[in-house]
Amino acid sequence: NAGVTQTPKFRILKIGQSMTLQCAQDMNHNYMYWYRQDPGMGLKLIYYSVGAGITDKGEVPNGYNVSRSTTEDFPLRLELAAPSQTSVYFCASRDIGDTYEQYFGPGTRLTVT
Amino acid sequence: DAKTTQPTSMDCAEGRAANLPCNHSTISGNEYVYWYRQIHSQGPQYIIHGLKNNETNEMASLIITEDRKSSTLILPHATLRDTAVYYCIVRVRVGFQKLVFGTGTRLLVSP
Repeated sequence: NAGVTQTPKFRILKIGQSMTLQCAQDMNHNYMYWYRQDPGMGLKLIYYSVGAGITDKGEVPNGYNVSRSTTEDFPLRLELAAPSQTSVYFCASRDIGDTYEQYFGPGTRLTVT
Repeated sequence: DAKTTQPTSMDCAEGRAANLPCNHSTISGNEYVYWYRQIHSQGPQYIIHGLKNNETNEMASLIITEDRKSSTLILPHATLRDTAVYYCIVRVRVGFQKLVFGTGTRLLVSP
């Protein structure tokens, strides 16, 4: 199993540009999450999904959108990028039965200038 | 969710035991203690969890006090690769699980 994969690893955006961060998992997990981590801080939840077609907002959803058309994929869309969105973005997944462990991807480092 | 308090940083000599404390004085009866760690620039990694009994796995041991208001993560023989930020998280086990990551403890293992 590849686990949780994220692309791209790094990206630089100009203010106002848009992009999609890709996340995929091959563990057939129902729950998927998007977090952001600012320098020196803990992770903050952006959006989550409990299954295909079902998504909901986390703590810091403004400026982001998500979709979950399949169990495997959970892309995060940034519209009109702003410098405040400069961060490292982590995707994670968890099985319904595996209630104690979230599996995290390697992260995408995004800079908005 | 119960809040947790951890020291900002700790040092440990390679080969010695690293004991990382966590206070969670407002923990509820159905809340578990989870530990994750984050090695520089990588995604967090699950280490161990427990409810009220001490737990051990191949990575670490978790000691929870009898009143459950605090716990200690023990890395028995720390290596340089254990240098990381360690997060103590308290959460109910079932259902949708939002992990609230604080700033954790930065453990530096030195030769």
